[in-house]
Amino acid sequence: EDQVTQSPEALRLQEGESSSLNCSYTVSGLRGLFWYRQDPGKGPEFLFTLYSAGEEKEKERLKATLTKKESFLHITAPKPEDSATYLCAVQAGTALIFGKGTTLSVSS
Amino acid sequence: EAGVVQSPRYKIIEKKQPVAFWCNPISGHNTLYWYRQNLGQGPELLIRYENEEAVDDSQLPKDRFSAERLKGVDSTLKIQPAELGDSAVYLCASQGLAGDSPLHFGNGTRLTVT
Repeated sequence: EDQVTQSPEALRLQEGESSSLNCSYTVSGLRGLFWYRQDPGKGPEFLFTLYSAGEEKEKERLKATLTKKESFLHITAPKPEDSATYLCAVQAGTALIFGKGTTLSVSS
Repeated sequence: EAGVVQSPRYKIIEKKQPVAFWCNPISGHNTLYWYRQNLGQGPELLIRYENEEAVDDSQLPKDRFSAERLKGVDSTLKIQPAELGDSAVYLCASQGLAGDSPLHFGNGTRLTVT
């Protein structure tokens, strides 16, 4: 069964304190791994797509990496505005399967 | 470009009442999805459309849920009758032509069934 597991469920950081979010997956025939950001009361907002092991993508303070079994979202020197829930999703065939998300809180 | 538009943003109904949600996707996006998101969970697929055709409705509870996408553009999702467990956020998303391109989501309709 295709499955996506994100950890930790919640993460509290001080401003400037770098960390990583994990997304582990089991899927047959991965077509892509997606990272989304979701703010309260909003729909998920697309961040990155990763297609193959070893691939990396960067955007401002965020960097996503992919291996054959997991993906990491690295947050470097986070700011309070980075506080949100980060969702990981994998596409196997035509279905997009989401994890439960990691809720990040960054305090100043 | 305009994003995915959903209405209403909030809906409160009593159980056993009907309710409908509306979605207008990004112009030119042929693929449209309805997802349901419970509190503290990731979105779960209800139905996927390619143009007017529902190509994956295996997770749609067909005894009370129905959906349509007239002319391959706007879509409506209906629940009749609603149950307490249907309280959730209903998200619509659209996708461009490439099958592995990202989904673009609307801000959802938060449904509360009392």
